[in-house]
Amino acid sequence: EAGVAQSPRYKIIEKRQSVAFWCNPISGHATLYWYQQILGQGPKLLIQFQNNGVVDDSQLPKDRFSAERLKGVDSTLKIQPAKLEDSAVYLCASSPQGQGGETQYFGPGTRLLVL
Amino acid sequence: AQSVTQLDSQVPVFEEAPVELRCNYSSSVSVYLFWYVQYPNQGLQLLLKYLSGSTLVKGINGFEAEFNKSQTSFHLRKPSVHISDTAEYFCAVKGDTGFQKLVFGTGTRLLVSP
Repeated sequence: EAGVAQSPRYKIIEKRQSVAFWCNPISGHATLYWYQQILGQGPKLLIQFQNNGVVDDSQLPKDRFSAERLKGVDSTLKIQPAKLEDSAVYLCASSPQGQGGETQYFGPGTRLLVL
Repeated sequence: AQSVTQLDSQVPVFEEAPVELRCNYSSSVSVYLFWYVQYPNQGLQLLLKYLSGSTLVKGINGFEAEFNKSQTSFHLRKPSVHISDTAEYFCAVKGDTGFQKLVFGTGTRLLVSP
């Protein structure tokens, strides 16, 4: 079974530029998550999708971050414009239904450096 | 809302020695508890989880954890570590109703030396 795929793996941009990350979840998983992991911290949930609807985006900085999952499968996370403090690893995860104690499966992440 | 505290940012240990990584949580509702491992430049992988039932949970790679409700703890243990266990370990908590978010601790780096 293929895991969660993410691209690119690494990205370096200058502040005020825009950047986009792509995620393809495990086939059949209804729920998709985007996390931000700043160096030395645990992952923090940015947004959770159930199929193509948003369940939780309370911690997404909506003035600069946006995410979509138009067909309920893959997803894109965008930052525009980027700030220095956005330097982090962006992790995508998926799970079958998004409820209960089910396991979330993580991709390898995209490491973003903003200069 | 839930929160997780991992007091030890780094735990050095010699190969074949036992290890315990501490995790305490806070929540006003019943919770599910998880331990994830992160190897360098990789995503997180589930080690084990507590949902209900027996408070002693066994996971992959010889790890186990014990849920203690009165002390709100979920410490991770391994009786004999290997060099390959060197990684970052994250404890996480999630409320047990509806669409609750998974809340992670700050992680503990386990350093195993020969």
